[in-house]
Amino acid sequence: DGGITQSPKYLFRKEGQNVTLSCEQNLNHDAMYWYRQDPGQGLRLIYYSQIVNDFQKGDIAEGYSVSREKKESFPLTVTSAQKNPTAFYLCASSIGWGNNQPQHFGDGTRLSIL
Amino acid sequence: QKEVEQNSGPLSVPEGAIASLNCTYSDRGSQSFFWYRQYSGKSPELIMSIYSNGDKEDGRFTAQLNKASQYVSLLIRDSQPSDSATYLCAVNKGPNTGTASKLTFGTGTRLQVTL
Repeated sequence: DGGITQSPKYLFRKEGQNVTLSCEQNLNHDAMYWYRQDPGQGLRLIYYSQIVNDFQKGDIAEGYSVSREKKESFPLTVTSAQKNPTAFYLCASSIGWGNNQPQHFGDGTRLSIL
Repeated sequence: QKEVEQNSGPLSVPEGAIASLNCTYSDRGSQSFFWYRQYSGKSPELIMSIYSNGDKEDGRFTAQLNKASQYVSLLIRDSQPSDSATYLCAVNKGPNTGTASKLTFGTGTRLQVTL
């Protein structure tokens, strides 16, 4: 089935540790996105990528890093510089050119601090 | 003023009634508008897209867009308990370049459909 796969579903981070969240899509979508969702705050854009080997900062990029080495994959690393990483992380993708296209989401990863 | 505003609710409607969810946005140049449904603990699911003024119907759902007044609404007819969820409004400001579709999300309206 076509879709967006995020793993792991739950992740725990120790102090000073970097962790990487995986996002893979087999929809042949060009653009991919990472969001963070906190209770009562809606979705906030962390990073997005329009094409392989290119990515742009979103509204809250500090403490995060990404790569886009393959069209299908857009992993997010939560670094130790992110002091409040506990949140629900959502990966999304959209097809083609132009910004009228909707985004489709994976099932998310819940990150907590140990 | 927030870029995309929604009443957080909860909006409570009886089963079988029409639920009306509203969203206002601040950027007059916004071009495309989306409604997502998010069940508790789950990820958002796209239910409607609308791009031009007027109504767009899909089954029990109708999206309404009024660009002059800068609002978009979602009507759910014959509401069912399974419609109980948070509904997120998302707006794309443009410009229409590149592949990315940058959306700004509202904080969502929680809908409760009661028996």
